[in-house]
Amino acid sequence: ETGVTQTPRHLVMGMTNKKSLKCEQHLGHNAMYWYKQSAKKPLELMFVYNFKEQTENNSVPSRFSPECPNSSHLFLHLHTLQPEDSALYLCASSQDLMDYGYTFGSGTRLTVV
Amino acid sequence: AQTVTQSQPEMSVQEAETVTLSCTYDTSENNYYLFWYKQPPSRQMILVIRQEAYKQQNATENRFSVNFQKAAKSFSLKISDSQLGDTAMYFCAFMKWKTSYDKVIFGPGTSLSVIP
Repeated sequence: ETGVTQTPRHLVMGMTNKKSLKCEQHLGHNAMYWYKQSAKKPLELMFVYNFKEQTENNSVPSRFSPECPNSSHLFLHLHTLQPEDSALYLCASSQDLMDYGYTFGSGTRLTVV
Repeated sequence: AQTVTQSQPEMSVQEAETVTLSCTYDTSENNYYLFWYKQPPSRQMILVIRQEAYKQQNATENRFSVNFQKAAKSFSLKISDSQLGDTAMYFCAFMKWKTSYDKVIFGPGTSLSVIP
């Protein structure tokens, strides 16, 4: 039990598909994050939620749409993606925005064909 | 703007030997945090060690230790008695002092292979 669970573990989708990534944490954390990890590139912060409110959107294209219905769940809705969006998408949580004790999930490996 | 550089994309080490991973960073801040994260093949990122810039003493966690050179803006990770389970990507990361944690800057990573 890692504390942060991401599903699915792998996802292959066409450019016209709509899919969602799910992240769930059972740690009582209030802040949750989406990161994109591409090969040979540093992790890119995509979205930040604190107490269910979005606090950061790092110029992410609108084809990525986050949702945080409560402090334990975070979704990333995907539609009309491009092949360059293929990457590992990591979810993380922390007690709050000032806490540097991140807990990461194992990620969803996304392939866009 | 802060940047984090890891100049060694790939490294290997014999089991039981010692290896040092390099990290340099650029900042005008005086107070900040530095981290090393490990990402094994399971893909889950795990915090290995952290260092507060105001502390002179280098952080140590069991077989993992850092050499923090503030003036040189260098933060290397030493792994002693390397084990097969140490095979992973290692990311160096920087965070400004007393800021929201969403401003962590990650380096590009070093892939470490421990050879039996």
